[in-house]
Amino acid sequence: GQQVMQIPQYQHVQEGEDFTTYCNSSTTLSNIQWYKQRPGGHPVFLIQLVKSGEVKKQKRLTFQFGEAKKNSSLHITATQTTDVGTYFCRGDASGTYKYIFGTGTRLKVLA
Amino acid sequence: DVKVTQSSRYLVKRTGEKVFLECVQDMDHENMFWYRQDPGLGLRLIYFSYDVKMKEKGDIPEGYSVSREKKERFSLILESASTNQTSMYLCASSPHRADPEETQYFGPGTRLLVL
Repeated sequence: GQQVMQIPQYQHVQEGEDFTTYCNSSTTLSNIQWYKQRPGGHPVFLIQLVKSGEVKKQKRLTFQFGEAKKNSSLHITATQTTDVGTYFCRGDASGTYKYIFGTGTRLKVLA
Repeated sequence: DVKVTQSSRYLVKRTGEKVFLECVQDMDHENMFWYRQDPGLGLRLIYFSYDVKMKEKGDIPEGYSVSREKKERFSLILESASTNQTSMYLCASSPHRADPEETQYFGPGTRLLVL
């Protein structure tokens, strides 16, 4: 069945360092969404990517969708303590509601 | 602002008990979802519903059932709770049946412990 792998599972960085998490799908995705879950909180939508090779930026966050629409990345420049949380990607191959969430990357930022 | 609420933040039940988890959204969304979240496994879809009285199985429906009698309310039922159903349960909604690319809005979650 369809799988979306996300790496790394955990990442500890010093405040000010950069951070990247990667999502890789076994099948071509129609779109990918990214969510952030703060400790003790619930997932909150960040962004959606639809087009092959698409790049979107939100302040210090840069999101990419691969040319083959099978992988995606989220890059945070100069992390801050407010970036702490778990980042999930959500993929959909079939255009249905059976989304597949990545396993998440838990980011810890050390001040 | 979209609000998705869940009936309990924390719940402790005994093996064999029937458990009801309720989710309510206040934005007239057509789609509602139930996920469970476990460390290292991410979010896994249990059931979703795209209309009143309509339901579809997700990836892990075994041991669960759902009910959607009203548009704003989606209930998850554990007919006979087991210890392997100890987990965080997240409800979500999204606006329109015909648009799978839409954003999902999540509730705060219910952390269920089955003893």
